[in-house]
Amino acid sequence: EAGVAQSPRYKIIEKRQSVAFWCNPISGHATLYWYQQILGQGPKLLIQFQNNGVVDDSQLPKDRFSAERLKGVDSTLKIQPAKLEDSAVYLCASIPGISYNEQFFGPGTRLTVL
Amino acid sequence: GDSVTQMEGPVTLSEEAFLTINCTYTATGYPSLFWYVQYPGEGLQLLLKATKADDKGSNKGFEATYRKETTSFHLEKGSVQVSDSAVYFCALILTGGGNKLTFGTGTQLKVEL
Repeated sequence: EAGVAQSPRYKIIEKRQSVAFWCNPISGHATLYWYQQILGQGPKLLIQFQNNGVVDDSQLPKDRFSAERLKGVDSTLKIQPAKLEDSAVYLCASIPGISYNEQFFGPGTRLTVL
Repeated sequence: GDSVTQMEGPVTLSEEAFLTINCTYTATGYPSLFWYVQYPGEGLQLLLKATKADDKGSNKGFEATYRKETTSFHLEKGSVQVSDSAVYFCALILTGGGNKLTFGTGTQLKVEL
């Protein structure tokens, strides 16, 4: 069974530029999460989807971050414009359904904002 | 709010040494507890979990026991190997909390020959 796929693996941009990350969860997984992991810290939840609907985006900085999961499968996280403090690893995770408590993580996208 | 506190790293051990990584939690409800591991260049992997008090999670020689009275979930291994070098994260999910993981800050383990 294929795991959670993310791309790109690495991205370097200048501040004020925009960037997008892509995630394809494990086939059949209805729930998808995006986390931000700043160096030296644990991952912090940004947004949670159930199929194509948002369950929780309370920690998403909505002035610059957006995310979508239009068909309830893959998802895109966008930052526009990026700030220096957005440098982090962005992790995607999925689970089969809301009652399942083991999350499966992708390899992450490491973003460096210069 | 809910939170997880881990001992700071890095923890450096010689191969075959005994490992303990301390983890304590604060939660308003009754959480499930997890240890995730992140090997260099890889994503997070679930190492073990426990869903109720006194449960012991175990995997790959690692163990952790859910202690409600001390709100702790310390990770232990009797004999570490160089291949165990990684960052270890303690985390919790609240029952009925939408399966949102709250992570500790992580503890880096370095095992030397």
